[in-house]
Amino acid sequence: EVQLVESGGGLVQRGGSLRLSCAASGFNFNAYAMHWVRQAPGKGLEYVSAISRNGDSTYYGNSMKGRFTISRDNSKNTLYLQMDTLRVEDMAMYYCARDQDGSASYYDYWGQGTLVTVSS
Amino acid sequence: QSALTQPPSASGSPGQSVTISCTGTSSDVGGYNYVSWYQQYSGKAPKLMIYDVSKRPSGVPDRFSGSKSGNTASLTVSGLQAEDEADYYCSSFAGYNSLVVFGGGTKLTVL
Repeated sequence: EVQLVESGGGLVQRGGSLRLSCAASGFNFNAYAMHWVRQAPGKGLEYVSAISRNGDSTYYGNSMKGRFTISRDNSKNTLYLQMDTLRVEDMAMYYCARDQDGSASYYDYWGQGTLVTVSS
Repeated sequence: QSALTQPPSASGSPGQSVTISCTGTSSDVGGYNYVSWYQQYSGKAPKLMIYDVSKRPSGVPDRFSGSKSGNTASLTVSGLQAEDEADYYCSSFAGYNSLVVFGGGTKLTVL
């Protein structure tokens, strides 16, 4: 059974940092590109970042560039998101999602999310 | 403001059909056959319902269908059931600069 379990969320002050993790199981992790998607309270989904199967290529949403860093450790089946210089508007539920065929065309599995709260 | 435009709400009675639109541009919806739709219940993670415009993952009822014309994609739910009441989001590949864009979501109410 495919499972994605996020962790690392919590309360942080504006300007602070947080590192999210997503532990994957039930599939060959290094065969899939992975993404982070977020959802602010009461709002819609927003693409955050993506990373290729081997980690060589990374992509970011416009408001995350220069502040967020996506990475992965295929030996640990884990995806990461380092978030620096956090803003109040970064407050959201952060989901990791599997990119089914590496073309960023759709996500076939999602984690349950980890909540990031940014205080001003 | 979301990159893709969806109506904020839609509704229908049990047994009826409802269609939710998702309008983008030639740089996303119109440029690629990579539109997907997700269902999300309150407090839950999104679930894939349609991918590649009109394909259904296994386990998704055939009451759900997708289509696209020009820069607008559509999700149709036929034979509405109470359990279909949820938020629905469209998404599209948008090239390697933007990568992925989402719609603002549509709250589907079964009357």
